[in-house]
Amino acid sequence: ETGVTQSPTHLIKTRGQQVTLRCSSQSGHNTVSWYQQALGQGPQFIFQYYREEENGRGNFPPRFSGLQFPNYSSELNVNALELDDSALYLCASSSWTETYGYTFGSGTRLTVV
Amino acid sequence: DAKTTQPPSMDCAEGRAANLPCNHSTISGNEYVYWYRQIHSQGPQYIIHGLKNNETNEMASLIITEDRKSSTLILPHATLRDTAVYYCIVRSTSGTYKYIFGTGTRLKVLA
Repeated sequence: ETGVTQSPTHLIKTRGQQVTLRCSSQSGHNTVSWYQQALGQGPQFIFQYYREEENGRGNFPPRFSGLQFPNYSSELNVNALELDDSALYLCASSSWTETYGYTFGSGTRLTVV
Repeated sequence: DAKTTQPPSMDCAEGRAANLPCNHSTISGNEYVYWYRQIHSQGPQYIIHGLKNNETNEMASLIITEDRKSSTLILPHATLRDTAVYYCIVRSTSGTYKYIFGTGTRLKVLA
């Protein structure tokens, strides 16, 4: 069991730029979700992928997009970065059929200046 | 999606039991209760989950009321390393298995 790995751990971007965050799911997990956590707040659901298809989305604009690859790794892309996008971005993986729950990565801290 | 309500903060003496309450009065029949904790802005860590019955594992116990409208997470012998933000979440077993996090309870274990 390797757990969920996210890269990079920290990132600084300029307003208007684009960013790609990466996530390696835990072995055997076919579902991945992304969450945004602003300072002092609980994580907010961005979207979820199952077998390379998006199958759920939270209240985030289209400039937040994602991909899931055949090996179940995933990317989160954010275009036209805004200052309010500064947050901890968390990736979580699970097996679709189990109720055990999601395993979270340690996150990517994105700062937009 | 069911929402949860938790006290914003609690203190507990080291070695004593920490009892963290959660209200989920709108929970549906197919929604599980999950508890996670988050230390120093690391990723949330799974603690325990349950549907109707009380559950216990090596980390904690989960007590769910008979009407399922509230639950309590019990850390039997709190240590300083249990200082964290604890989140109570309800999650459906159908559709999108998303978690809806509240603001959680900030537990401080005191020496």
